Amino acid sequence: TQLLEQSPQFLSIQEGENLTVYCNSSSVFSSLQWYRQEPGEGPVLLVTVVTGGEVKKLKRLTFQFGDARKDSSLHITAAQPGDTGLYLCAGLLMKTSYDKVIFGPGTSLSVIP
Amino acid sequence: EAGVTQSPTHLIKTRGQQATLRCSPISGHTSVYWYQQALGLGLQFLLWYDEGEERNRGNFPPRFSGRQFPNYSSELNVNALELEDSALYLCASSHTGLQGYFGPGTRLTVL
Repeated sequence: TQLLEQSPQFLSIQEGENLTVYCNSSSVFSSLQWYRQEPGEGPVLLVTVVTGGEVKKLKRLTFQFGDARKDSSLHITAAQPGDTGLYLCAGLLMKTSYDKVIFGPGTSLSVIP
Repeated sequence: EAGVTQSPTHLIKTRGQQATLRCSPISGHTSVYWYQQALGLGLQFLLWYDEGEERNRGNFPPRFSGRQFPNYSSELNVNALELEDSALYLCASSHTGLQGYFGPGTRLTVL
């Protein structure tokens, strides 16, 4: 059974602080996605990383895919209340389709004004 | 471009009843995926439809079923509702099969 683990499970920080959340697996993925989900809403795709070692920046968010394509991190600089939400990572295994995407349990982030 | 839409937003049923949830994919997307997100649990894959056919189903009982229409919209039916079926049901659509775009979900409450 392939599993994606995310840490920490919960994170509460003050506005302006920096944070990093992690996504880890023993499986190798062809690509990995990060989503943000707000309460009562569906997940919104933030980024897809494909190449081992790849780093992508989206404004204050920096995403990194591990060299071995088994793990990823999301770093947020100067967090804002609008960053509050559930951050999900999702990995697509080699030679499979989207129905085989494995979702992590998520990191619930709360940014306090 | 309109995103994935789902209806209804909320649905309240009692045990034993049937629920029907609907999803309209992004224009041009032929695949629709259904997920269940129960409180405290991650997204659990339910069903995948593509070009009108069921391509795969997750580890759920047969009372979870659905279909995809010629316009690629989809319906999820849950028969003989149980209390533990209470969850957010999410639909995602895809064109490439490598990336999904999610709708806002239907919150199903079973009393």
